[in-house]
Amino acid sequence: DADVTQTPRNRITKTGKRIMLECSQTKGHDRMYWYRQDPGLGLRLIYYSFDVKDINKGEISDGYSVSRQAQAKFSLSLESAIPNQTALYFCATSDAKGNSYNEQFFGPGTRLTVL
Amino acid sequence: QKEVEQDPGPLSVPEGAIVSLNCTYSNSAFQYFMWYRQYSRKGPELLMYTYSSGNKEDGRFTAQVDKSSKYISLFIRDSQPSDSATYLCAMRDRGSTLGRLYFGRGTQLTVWP
Repeated sequence: DADVTQTPRNRITKTGKRIMLECSQTKGHDRMYWYRQDPGLGLRLIYYSFDVKDINKGEISDGYSVSRQAQAKFSLSLESAIPNQTALYFCATSDAKGNSYNEQFFGPGTRLTVL
Repeated sequence: QKEVEQDPGPLSVPEGAIVSLNCTYSNSAFQYFMWYRQYSRKGPELLMYTYSSGNKEDGRFTAQVDKSSKYISLFIRDSQPSDSATYLCAMRDRGSTLGRLYFGRGTQLTVWP
């Protein structure tokens, strides 16, 4: 079974709709991240959370919000989706303990298309 | 200027070739250097990591760091079709308690039989 799961795997929506992407992990990690990946731009950090009470903006947080419902769950919301939010979204986790490299474990991704 | 620069390719080589993948960076505080591999329709996975300068070898893969030039490389010897993937470099600085990783854009590699 996958340690980091994302739902849905694919989503097509229309401009202006509210969308929630969900991430769950069974690795017991404290840290969770949301990235988006665009061709030619690589991975860009949207939000990250180091525990349930700690939420931080990444480099491209405008137009997004997150919720850390539990240690194992981290959701990303697009309040009013726009076409330039069409991208591949990844959730990742990492363990703060004994992890100098901050190795991150990624989910399979959610392909979001905003029409 | 992005903190980490990586040529996105694509790079196409025949099976058995030696592949060289590279990244440059601007932040001299970066101390931890990593390479992630991402297969099509999958999330990235950590492939190799090195601390500060020097080389590290793991099977057919060698990671090199030249901090004086702010340049890191990943070499793949005897490349195989199964090595076809996107390779992303990633870095973090030792002083940051947040541990944020800075990723390159990724280089798409195809190894053809």
